[in-house]
Amino acid sequence: AQRVTQPEKLLSVFKGAPVELKCNYSYSGSPELFWYVQYSRQRLQLLLRHISRESIKGFTADLNKGETSFHLKKPFAQEEDSAMYYCALRGNRDDKIIFGKGTRLHILP
Amino acid sequence: DAEITQSPRHKITETGRQVTLACHQTWNHNNMFWYRQDLGHGLRLIHYSYGVQDTNKGEVSDGYSVSRSNTEDLPLTLESAASSQTSVYFCASSDGTGNSPLHFGNGTRLTVT
Repeated sequence: AQRVTQPEKLLSVFKGAPVELKCNYSYSGSPELFWYVQYSRQRLQLLLRHISRESIKGFTADLNKGETSFHLKKPFAQEEDSAMYYCALRGNRDDKIIFGKGTRLHILP
Repeated sequence: DAEITQSPRHKITETGRQVTLACHQTWNHNNMFWYRQDLGHGLRLIHYSYGVQDTNKGEVSDGYSVSRSNTEDLPLTLESAASSQTSVYFCASSDGTGNSPLHFGNGTRLTVT
């Protein structure tokens, strides 16, 4: 069965400090992993996907198949990073995407 | 610009009433999805469709139905609204090609009293 686990409901980090949002998954095949972000009063939007190996707004995420993890990292937090972050997985059998429960990131001034 | 729109943005209804939430996309995507967002549960998949006349149940489909009569629309119907269905509902679409992301609507906040 597909499962995405985000162990932290809330993460508070001081501005300028490093950020790591944890995501672990369970899937028997080769999944696609995504991070979505929801800023206050805005719709959910894609932040990044593992296949692109890109850095968006200073965030990166590396897929670790051995640990079945896809943690989101940023070296220096900014106040505008405060938002709800969702890790998501798409299996290789169909197009549906399942989400973790989300982590609210709060950047302290 | 292509977009995905949901209506209404807010809805208050009474227990037992039938409610339909609209979702319209101009991306020309084959795949459409309905999620509900609840504190402590994140986003959970309700129903999804891979094309006209195709519908599939997600993880929390009880009490909900969808129909897909054209590419652009996937209305979500609550047959007999219950207080447990008070939530924020999001519609999303994707083109179904490899690694394509979901495009989300703005959401509908539904309150069942």
